[in-house]
Amino acid sequence: DAKTTQPTSMDCAEGRAANLPCNHSTISGNEYVYWYRQIHSQGPQYIIHGLKNNETNEMASLIITEDRKSSTLILPHATLRDTAVYYCIVRVATGSNYKLTFGKGTLLTVNP
Amino acid sequence: NAGVTQTPKFQVLKTGQSMTLQCAQDMNHEYMSWYRQDPGMGLRLIHYSVGAGITDQGEVPNGYNVSRSTTEDFPLRLLSAAPSQTSVYFCASRTGTNYGYTFGSGTRLTVV
Repeated sequence: DAKTTQPTSMDCAEGRAANLPCNHSTISGNEYVYWYRQIHSQGPQYIIHGLKNNETNEMASLIITEDRKSSTLILPHATLRDTAVYYCIVRVATGSNYKLTFGKGTLLTVNP
Repeated sequence: NAGVTQTPKFQVLKTGQSMTLQCAQDMNHEYMSWYRQDPGMGLRLIHYSVGAGITDQGEVPNGYNVSRSTTEDFPLRLLSAAPSQTSVYFCASRTGTNYGYTFGSGTRLTVV
C-alpha cells in the first residue's frame, strides 16, 4: 500500500473549518483514500473515503487532487468534540479483502 | 444495535497466563479484525477474518490465536501472555468492500 504523510499536529478555532492535508504521492490507480479519527482512549471512527472524486457526508468532505497525489479532509465547522488524531490511510482492495495500515496521524486540537 | 462490543475493558495478567479477549458484533458484518495499539506505533493488525470459518494472519500474529465459528463472534486468544503483549486491543468489523470499519471501545491489557 502507498505510504501517507501527514502533519504531526494542527490547531483550529472552534466554529471554523479544519483542513487536514495528506500526501500520498505513490498512490496507485486502484487505491482508495480513507480517513479515520481517534478521540482519546476510544476506538477509531470511520469518517469518509474516496477514490477519484470529491466526497461529502454528514461528518466531513474529502477533496482529492486531480493527480491523486494528495487529499484534504475538511471539517466544515469544527467543535471541541472534533479534537482527535486523524488518520489518512491508503489501501488497495484485493478482491473484497483489504487491510488498513494506520500511521501516526495528525493530532487536531480545536480551541475555544 | 450495540455495534462492536469488546470484553473485558481492562485486564491484568501474569506472565504465562492465557486468556481470551471477546469481540461480538450485531451488524451481520462479514469482515472482522483485531488490532493492537502501542504508544507511538499506531494500530497494527493481528488477525482478521473474511467470514465464519475463515481467518488469516496480519502483521503481528505471533502469540495470538483466533477462530470464527459464527458471524457475530471473533475471540482473540493469548496463549501464554508476555509483557510485550501489554497494549490496547481493538476489534473492528465491516460489511462489503466499500465501507469503513466500525471499531469497538478497546481492551486495555497489562501483562506483569
